[in-house]
Amino acid sequence: GAVVSQHPSWVICKSGTSVKIECRSLDFQATTMFWYRQFPKQSLMLMATSNEGSKATYEQGVEKDKFLINHASLTLSTLTVTSAHPEDSSFYICSARGRLTTDTQYFGPGTRLTVL
Amino acid sequence: GQNIDQPTEMTATEGAIVQINCTYQTSGFNGLFWYQQHAGEAPTFLSYNVLDGLEEKGRFSSFLSRSKGYSYLLLKELQMKDSASYLCAVRDREYGGATNKLIFGTGTLLAVQP
Repeated sequence: GAVVSQHPSWVICKSGTSVKIECRSLDFQATTMFWYRQFPKQSLMLMATSNEGSKATYEQGVEKDKFLINHASLTLSTLTVTSAHPEDSSFYICSARGRLTTDTQYFGPGTRLTVL
Repeated sequence: GQNIDQPTEMTATEGAIVQINCTYQTSGFNGLFWYQQHAGEAPTFLSYNVLDGLEEKGRFSSFLSRSKGYSYLLLKELQMKDSASYLCAVRDREYGGATNKLIFGTGTLLAVQP
């Protein structure tokens, strides 16, 4: 149980384009989803927290207009990187926590974004 | 502020025991997690401690001392597949909100040698 999927697993795009990453909880309802970014050989940095049906809460230093988060249902959250630039190239990981999994966040497999 | 410290790298021998330490400072401690992360993959959950003491789960055990702001992950009977990064993460209670955020340490890269 507690499986989280992400799509796509990797994406390469040109500078200036927008990229959407989906995060789904497959076998539980995720009341809260988290989006992290991880640069090579560094730990996970929380970007934002999203609760179903409400606006996301962004961490300090994360531009909410650049990283658009939508959590429209209890099983789906999306992260859109708008006008991507090479410095946005990173490993983006989502995690989900549900009503019955309040103690643990379960992570998706991650999305490797490369901006040329 | 919030601060989590763990050693950057460790090396151990197959079949041996290794202990990975984690010290933390956080304003709203609400539990500590250990995750395993292989290169290029997402973290997988290993253990959770919220009360003082030792939690054992097969070859893995995790210990917590809240008064000392200290935890360790103990890996027994090491196998080559245990070579990975081990992330210590503290859950921080966000005052006034319903969200408990995870704050991650930088991770300890464990290399298991034959």
